[in-house]
Amino acid sequence: EADIYQTPRYLVIGTGKKITLECSQTMGHDKMYWYQQDPGMELHLIHYSYGVNSTEKGDLSSESTVSRIRTEHFPLTLESARPSHTSQYLCASRSLAGRTDTQYFGPGTRLTVL
Amino acid sequence: GNSVTQMEGPVTLSEEAFLTINCTYTATGYPSLFWYVQYPGEGLQLLLKATKADDKGSNKGFEATYRKETTSFHLEKGSVQVSDSAVYFCALSAYNNDMRFGAGTRLTVKP
Repeated sequence: EADIYQTPRYLVIGTGKKITLECSQTMGHDKMYWYQQDPGMELHLIHYSYGVNSTEKGDLSSESTVSRIRTEHFPLTLESARPSHTSQYLCASRSLAGRTDTQYFGPGTRLTVL
Repeated sequence: GNSVTQMEGPVTLSEEAFLTINCTYTATGYPSLFWYVQYPGEGLQLLLKATKADDKGSNKGFEATYRKETTSFHLEKGSVQVSDSAVYFCALSAYNNDMRFGAGTRLTVKP
C-alpha cells in the first residue's frame, strides 16, 4: 500500500496567484519526483530530489520550484500561475535501495488556472 | 539514452476479449521492467514487474514476460472486463536507477 499524499486534489485559481502543491510520504524514501501529466496522458518529469537539500530540474522545463527540507515533504510552488500551467501534477517517491524498487505515486493534483 | 516505446492507443475491446499492449525498450545493461495502471482521477499504481530476462510478472490476470532477445515486455490478459478500462504505462529502471515511462495506452472495455 502506497503512503504518499497530495493536497489539494483539485485547485481552481486565477492568473497571477501564488500556489503550493503539497506532497508527503511516510515510507522514508530518499527519492521524490514531480511529474506533469498532459490530457493526452504522457508523463513529463519536471523536478526530482535524491534527499534533503537536493533538488534537480527534470526533462521538461517548468516555471515551478521545489524544496526538500524534510525527507518526507516535497512541495512544488508556482509564484505566478498562468493558464498554461493548467494540468495534472503527480508526485512520486522511491527508495534508493535498488533499481528493482517500486516507484509509488500520489493521487495527483488537478490544477486549473483561469 | 534509456527509453520505452509502447503501443499507441486508444484501444477499444469488448468484454472477455484478449488484450495485448506492446512495449519495447532501449537500455544500457539489464533494466528492471514495470507495468503501471492509472484509473480515472487517480495516480499510477504498480500492476506487475520483472527484474531479469525470462521473468514473468503477473497480477489480477495480467501477465508480461521480460524478453531480452526482443527487448520487449508486452502486457497481456486473456479476458478483459469493463473494470480494466484505464491507462497503462510501461516503464523501465536501469543502471542510473531512475525510471523511464512510455507514453501510455488508454484501454476502453465495452460491455
